[in-house]
Amino acid sequence: DAKTTQPPSMDCAEGRAANLPCNHSTISGNEYVYWYRQIHSQGPQYIIHGLKNNETNEMASLIITEDRKSSTLILPHATLRDTAVYYCIVRLPYSGNTPLVFGKGTRLSVIA
Amino acid sequence: GAVVSQHPSRVICKSGTSVKIECRSLDFQATTMFWYRQFPKKSLMLMATSNEGSKATYEQGVEKDKFLINHASLTLSTLTVTSAHPEDSSFYICSARGPGLGEETQYFGPGTRLLVL
Repeated sequence: DAKTTQPPSMDCAEGRAANLPCNHSTISGNEYVYWYRQIHSQGPQYIIHGLKNNETNEMASLIITEDRKSSTLILPHATLRDTAVYYCIVRLPYSGNTPLVFGKGTRLSVIA
Repeated sequence: GAVVSQHPSRVICKSGTSVKIECRSLDFQATTMFWYRQFPKKSLMLMATSNEGSKATYEQGVEKDKFLINHASLTLSTLTVTSAHPEDSSFYICSARGPGLGEETQYFGPGTRLLVL
């Protein structure tokens, strides 16, 4: 799996958009970008994934640059419950036994 | 999304005893399950990968005789920490993947916090 780089921590005011960056400059052409988050003392939660087009679901939006070397996860209206560690992972889909490998992630603190 | 459960959610045991943690996929058949361990303020570390009906594949540095993994059915995997010691105290998380879910996603259980006294 290609390596990703994320800032160790970020703060965001409640109600504002949280923009979490991720660099993945060595991503290969058929690797996807996945985002998971882990709220304290819980298992990781899947958020969103994409290949090259921007994606949106009920939780977040994923913006991938045209050269695919970086991406941004956007939580449009952050709430206190979005405080968590956010992990950006690049990997091939349909990889069978290949597990997700977690880096250090970004610790997002949403502040009232 | 698919649901993965773990039991127990937390357990305290004495040093030298064995502890079994169950991981169940509630609404799908988990052909592959993964076990992770997480120490405080650290990221998840993969311990092993198991396929239903096969022996688990352990990551380097993980003792297979200490961390026994059984994946006997498509909905249940167990991790047994044998002869537990205080350094085994950690947060253990299972994860599952299966056909029909969209195999690009991997679903996680809520975790089991083990404290060995």
